[in-house]
Amino acid sequence: ETGVTQSPTHLIKTRGQQVTLRCSSQSGHNTVSWYQQALGQGPQFIFQYYREEENGRGNFPPRFSGLQFPNYSSELNVNALELDDSALYLCASSPGAPGQGNGYTFGSGTRLTVV
Amino acid sequence: EDQVTQSPEALRLQEGESSSLNCSYTVSGLRGLFWYRQDPGKGPEFLFTLYSAGEEKEKERLKATLTKKESFLHITAPKPEDSATYLCAVQAMTGNQFYFGTGTSLTVIP
Repeated sequence: ETGVTQSPTHLIKTRGQQVTLRCSSQSGHNTVSWYQQALGQGPQFIFQYYREEENGRGNFPPRFSGLQFPNYSSELNVNALELDDSALYLCASSPGAPGQGNGYTFGSGTRLTVV
Repeated sequence: EDQVTQSPEALRLQEGESSSLNCSYTVSGLRGLFWYRQDPGKGPEFLFTLYSAGEEKEKERLKATLTKKESFLHITAPKPEDSATYLCAVQAMTGNQFYFGTGTSLTVIP
């Protein structure tokens, strides 16, 4: 098992730009979810993918979008960056279908700073 | 409105001093309640999933319990290495959404 790998680890972007964050799921995991975590807060659910289809979405605007690839790796895209988008972005993967109650394995996150 | 509230926000314990962390939740249909541990600069680490009221799970010095409105994480005889932020999350039946609490920051003093 190699765990969940996220890239890059740190990123600085300018307001209005677009960013793509990447996640490589743990081997054998076909469900992936993305979260935004502000300093001192709990993670906020952005969305979840299962077998390449969006399977659940939190209260985030459409400029937050994602993809899951056939190898179950995933991307989070954010358009028109705002200063409030500065946060730690976490990816988590889980074996089996969503709702089976399997625990999620989290990556260490990408720290995004918008200036 | 679906939400999760954790208390206390911070807790300092002497090594060996047992205590409990609380997670109160409101959700329109509970698919599962999760406990995670998060160390500074790292992603959350999975501890337990609980599905229904009355369920209990244990792992080393940790024991999680669940009622229809709240969950407790009991820490027995904690050690300094148990120091971390403990996060509670619920997954709703509707939309598979996850809701996390803001966590309890636990410090265990030798």
